[in-house]
Amino acid sequence: EPEVTQTPSHQVTQMGQEVILRCVPISNHLYFYWYRQILGQKVEFLVSFYNNEISEKSEIFDDQFSVERPDGSNFTLKIRSTKLEDSAMYFCASSYFEKLFFGSGTQLSVL
Amino acid sequence: AQTVTQSQPEMSVQEAETVTLSCTYDTSESNYYLFWYKQPPSRQMILVIRQEAYKQQNATENRFSVNFQKAAKSFSLKISDSQLGDTAMYFCAFIKMNRDDKIIFGKGTRLHILP
Repeated sequence: EPEVTQTPSHQVTQMGQEVILRCVPISNHLYFYWYRQILGQKVEFLVSFYNNEISEKSEIFDDQFSVERPDGSNFTLKIRSTKLEDSAMYFCASSYFEKLFFGSGTQLSVL
Repeated sequence: AQTVTQSQPEMSVQEAETVTLSCTYDTSESNYYLFWYKQPPSRQMILVIRQEAYKQQNATENRFSVNFQKAAKSFSLKISDSQLGDTAMYFCAFIKMNRDDKIIFGKGTRLHILP
């Protein structure tokens, strides 16, 4: 069965550093998303992406965040200058109609 | 704006028992989908079951079934013959019937299946 692939599974970084989280969505999907989950809390929407542009973003998704689909297969989330509060599990998802498929997540730890 | 409420932060049941997880939601939409996702300790998000709002029949997937009450905006998950592997966080979720809309999650219910 096709799946959404995320790399790396764990990322440790120093506060103020840039990180790029990578995702390979399912090939025939057109809608892509990033969600995050701070430990012990609910899953929160960050951004949705369609037709090579952001279709919606949450208030969490400030100027420190950006998304890109650089080569037609990868879908990346960049955090320019990480803060301690960015420590969370980041999930990529892609959808075909209402069927949303999640990747297994990248655990980001900011020290 | 849509909201999803799970009023049970944590539950415990004995193995082989039946357990029901509650979920209510608020929306002005008439067409939408509801989901239950399971998040085991690995923290992967696994789709358990899906319900289309336009369908009156409750969805069923093996030991998992839902009780969908559209007028009451209630969407509970029933797990029959619970197994140790069912121990996980369970999230109720809502999405409008727009192709690019975001999914809204409840805060989750932590379910412990006791041996």
